Amino acid sequence: TQLLEQSPQFLSIQEGENLTVYCNSSSVFSSLQWYRQEPGEGPVLLVTVVTGGEVKKLKRLTFQFGDARKDSSLHITAAQPGDTGLYLCAGAGSNYQLIWGAGTKLIIKP
Amino acid sequence: KAGVTQTPRYLIKTRGQQVTLSCSPISGHRSVSWYQQTPGQGLQFLFEYFSETQRNKGNFPGRFSGRQFSNSRSEMNVSTLELGDSALYLCASSLNREGEKLFFGSGTQLSVL
Repeated sequence: TQLLEQSPQFLSIQEGENLTVYCNSSSVFSSLQWYRQEPGEGPVLLVTVVTGGEVKKLKRLTFQFGDARKDSSLHITAAQPGDTGLYLCAGAGSNYQLIWGAGTKLIIKP
Repeated sequence: KAGVTQTPRYLIKTRGQQVTLSCSPISGHRSVSWYQQTPGQGLQFLFEYFSETQRNKGNFPGRFSGRQFSNSRSEMNVSTLELGDSALYLCASSLNREGEKLFFGSGTQLSVL
């Protein structure tokens, strides 16, 4: 059974600080997606990483896919209250079915 | 372009009842997936439909079922509701398959009393 572990489960920091969220597995994924979910809404796709070692930047968010395509990280620089939400990673297996992490609940305090 | 629409937004039922949830995907999207989300459990995959056929199924009991219509709209049904079925049920659509970029609806919050 493929598993995707996210850490930390919960993170509360002050505005302006940096943070990193991790997504780890013992399985290889063909691609990995990161979503953000706000209260009362469905998840919204932030980025898809496909190539081992790939780094993608979305303003203050930096996403990295591990060389072996088993893990990924999301780094946020100078966090803002608008970054608050539940961050979910999802890895696509060989049959394209997504395996989801349990999520990281992020709170940025003004 | 309209997003994914789920109805109803909120639902309160009692144990033993059944419930039907509806999902209208983005126009042109042929794949519809259903997920159950509970606090601390992340998203649990229920099933995926493509062209009116169930293409993938998660590890949920037979009380959970679904279908897709010719216009790609989908419904899921839960029979003989249990307290543990209380959750946010999310529908997601994509062009062709579940592993592609998913567009989620706002979900149906089901409470079973």
